[in-house]
Amino acid sequence: SQTIHQWPATLVQPVGSPLSLECTVEGTSNPNLYWYRQAAGRGLQLLFYSVGIGQISSEVPQNLSASRPQDRQFILSSKKLLLSDSGFYLCACGGTFGSGTQLSVL
Amino acid sequence: QKEVEQNSGPLSVPEGAIASLNCTYSDRGSQSFFWYRQYSGKSPELIMFIYSNGDKEDGRFTAQLNKASQYVSLLIRDSQPSDSATYLCAVTFYDKVIFGPGTSLSVIP
Repeated sequence: SQTIHQWPATLVQPVGSPLSLECTVEGTSNPNLYWYRQAAGRGLQLLFYSVGIGQISSEVPQNLSASRPQDRQFILSSKKLLLSDSGFYLCACGGTFGSGTQLSVL
Repeated sequence: QKEVEQNSGPLSVPEGAIASLNCTYSDRGSQSFFWYRQYSGKSPELIMFIYSNGDKEDGRFTAQLNKASQYVSLLIRDSQPSDSATYLCAVTFYDKVIFGPGTSLSVIP
């Protein structure tokens, strides 16, 4: 089974600053990869998914973007963070989730 | 818009009872169905998945799928206080995996 590495665990960023969250996967090849966001007390919102290198599907138009430069690497980015970007960000692959990043935008 | 609905709860059951969690989905083309458990501040962990109509049992957990009614449920037998968590239903349609809002379960000792 695959292992998902996601970091950092927590992040505090000022409004207007950039963001880069990285997710890497071990134990599988050509996986489907997903980024989700979970606001406090809410469900998981699908942000982006990718079925291969360079292939990104966006589910929700917003302040974020995603890239997949390598088969097992999935990156979530923002040029300028908004307060509403705060939340728990999760990378997923094959039914398994990474440990998540708790992002607070202040 | 593909949607997955769950009762938000909280659902409270006494220790040893059966907890019943329900989920409905809007897309008849959905192919795979998953139940996750999430403790506060942690990432979701997969409990069960089901693809075919009927029941699937794994220990104290039973997943039930009815594609005609677009309904999937999770039964937890002999509920324990450690089962207290939020339970998330997830549904796939081709490459997308869509989650419901989750049901909060509290098992009372």
